[in-house]
Amino acid sequence: SQQGEEDPQALSIQEGENATMNCSYKTSINNLQWYRQNSGRGLVHLILIRSNEREKHSGRLRVTLDTSKKSSSLLITASRAADTASYFCATHPAYNFNKFYFGSGTKLNVKP
Amino acid sequence: GAVVSQHPSRVICKSGTSVKIECRSLDFQATTMFWYRQFPKKSLMLMATSNEGSKATYEQGVEKDKFLINHASLTLSTLTVTSAHPEDSSFYICSASTSGRGYNEQFFGPGTRLTVL
Repeated sequence: SQQGEEDPQALSIQEGENATMNCSYKTSINNLQWYRQNSGRGLVHLILIRSNEREKHSGRLRVTLDTSKKSSSLLITASRAADTASYFCATHPAYNFNKFYFGSGTKLNVKP
Repeated sequence: GAVVSQHPSRVICKSGTSVKIECRSLDFQATTMFWYRQFPKKSLMLMATSNEGSKATYEQGVEKDKFLINHASLTLSTLTVTSAHPEDSSFYICSASTSGRGYNEQFFGPGTRLTVL
């Protein structure tokens, strides 16, 4: 991808389990955002974490950011079948708001 | 608030024709709009960034003459795929940013699926 990779590429879990997705990026960033995309549809913004933040929570979502390793993780707790979707991280490179790059994405399947 | 629309949502055209896709910010002024392309089961690839009233900035490898971008107003940007070919078939997504609220505010359109026969 233009900016980085996500792993795993695909993740299949049972309802109720936690899902963890990782994102790595290449350049220094201003912020990192996580998005969700249902098959063939548009993007839904989940959470934004700035470069000076290390962890953020939003409902069942927990995002961490390690700028020294250029990586982030998204944790979805107590997953539901409705969480089945593709998840992407995206970054604004530092000092360049005219760029916004997506990671390769993780396809999450939550089995009921 | 912060709604972005795209039109059309789906288009099928013959090879050699040109297709125009519109991206509108419905309830805010977008100083910057981004155009992405997404292949099946793949991530979004940034094609170009457009600022109102100036020429678009294209990513490396994206043909300017093939993908014409116009950002005529603070609420409208258009992407024209010229002389479309089957390999141009893809899902095209735009997003709009309000730099006045901080350039990290990105609002995405629902996407346009282009099929070139």
